[in-house]
Amino acid sequence: EAGVAQSPRYKIIEKRQSVAFWCNPISGHATLYWYQQILGQGPKLLIQFQNNGVVDDSQLPKDRFSAERLKGVDSTLKIQPAKLEDSAVYLCASGMGSTDTQYFGPGTRLTVL
Amino acid sequence: GDSVTQMEGPVTLSEEAFLTINCTYTATGYPSLFWYVQYPGEGLQLLLKATKADDKGSNKGFEATYRKETTSFHLEKGSVQVSDSAVYFCALSDSNYQLIWGAGTKLIIKP
Repeated sequence: EAGVAQSPRYKIIEKRQSVAFWCNPISGHATLYWYQQILGQGPKLLIQFQNNGVVDDSQLPKDRFSAERLKGVDSTLKIQPAKLEDSAVYLCASGMGSTDTQYFGPGTRLTVL
Repeated sequence: GDSVTQMEGPVTLSEEAFLTINCTYTATGYPSLFWYVQYPGEGLQLLLKATKADDKGSNKGFEATYRKETTSFHLEKGSVQVSDSAVYFCALSDSNYQLIWGAGTKLIIKP
């Protein structure tokens, strides 16, 4: 069974630029999560989707971050404009929705200069 | 609200030593409990889980038992290897299938 796929693996941009990350969850997984993980810390949930609807985006900085999950499968997370403090690893995870186990992708390491 | 507390790191051990990483939780209801591991430069991998009291999760020689009476889920391994060096996260799942995370414990195994 293929795992959660993410791209790109690494991205370096300058502040005020925009960036987008892509996630393809495990086939059949209804729930998709985006996390931000700052070096040395645990993951922070940004947004949770159930199929193509948003369950929780209370910690998503909506003035600069946006996310969508068209057709309830792939998802993209965008940052526009980026700030220095956005430097982090962005993790995507998926789950079946009827259980609570989440499976993580390899992450995208973002560096904002 | 729900929370997870795990021992601070780094924890440094010699190869073949016994490992315990403590994890305690506060939760309403009866959450599932998890240990995830993050190897350097990689994403999070599910190491083991337990879904109800007295369940024991196990994988790759690691074990943890869901102790409702002490609200704990300590991670143990009888003989660690250098390849076990990583950051270990304890987590619980709330009623919305969201994970509440501990701060992580960095484990360093010296040969």
